[in-house]
Amino acid sequence: GENVEQHPSTLSVQEGDSAVIKCTYSDSASNYFPWYKQELGKRPQLIIDIRSNVGEKKDQRIAVTLNKTAKHFSLHITETQPEDSAVYFCTIGAPNRGSTLGRLYFGRGTQLTVWP
Amino acid sequence: SAVISQKPSRDICQRGTSLTIQCQVDSQVTMMFWYRQQPGQSLTLIATANQGSEATYESGFVIDKFPISRPNLTFSTLTVSNMSPEDSSIYLCSILGTSSSETQYFGPGTRLLVL
Repeated sequence: GENVEQHPSTLSVQEGDSAVIKCTYSDSASNYFPWYKQELGKRPQLIIDIRSNVGEKKDQRIAVTLNKTAKHFSLHITETQPEDSAVYFCTIGAPNRGSTLGRLYFGRGTQLTVWP
Repeated sequence: SAVISQKPSRDICQRGTSLTIQCQVDSQVTMMFWYRQQPGQSLTLIATANQGSEATYESGFVIDKFPISRPNLTFSTLTVSNMSPEDSSIYLCSILGTSSSETQYFGPGTRLLVL
């Protein structure tokens, strides 16, 4: 299966600063890269995703970049706010090979803390 | 997007007993999945719940321990059998979004504590 490495495991920033979380993967056939945010005691929520035919995608303060050659992708949060504090998971959608359809491989997660 | 509910939301169980968790979706979905999230950890896929056939289990998970049913396109159950304290986790069901074949949405989870 896919091997997903996520760094850092914890990240503390001051309100207003930027936060960057990085992930690497091993299967060059992977083509779908969603990011989930999980607040304490809540379910994981999709915040942004990117597909392999796109190098960058932005949604307000959140952006994701993808480098398929190097097999890594990153989440960027600008102008961080205390409400951004949560665990963020990078995930990879398994290539559509029949039995793996829909399977998501999760990174270990990054605990982001934004201090007011 | 579809509304996903799970029952129970939490439970405390004695070791050696079994608990069945229900996942209900308010619309028909093609694929449903069950995940486990141990305390402070990431999510691990247990199995894909297949409608009308046996679930597809990931490495390390077996049907005898985690039997799964999916009688129709809106409902699935996961049973945690012969529980031990190591089974204390959050169990989440998820679905593939109806508007996309790749976007996955999660239920609220069932928080299980085994004493």
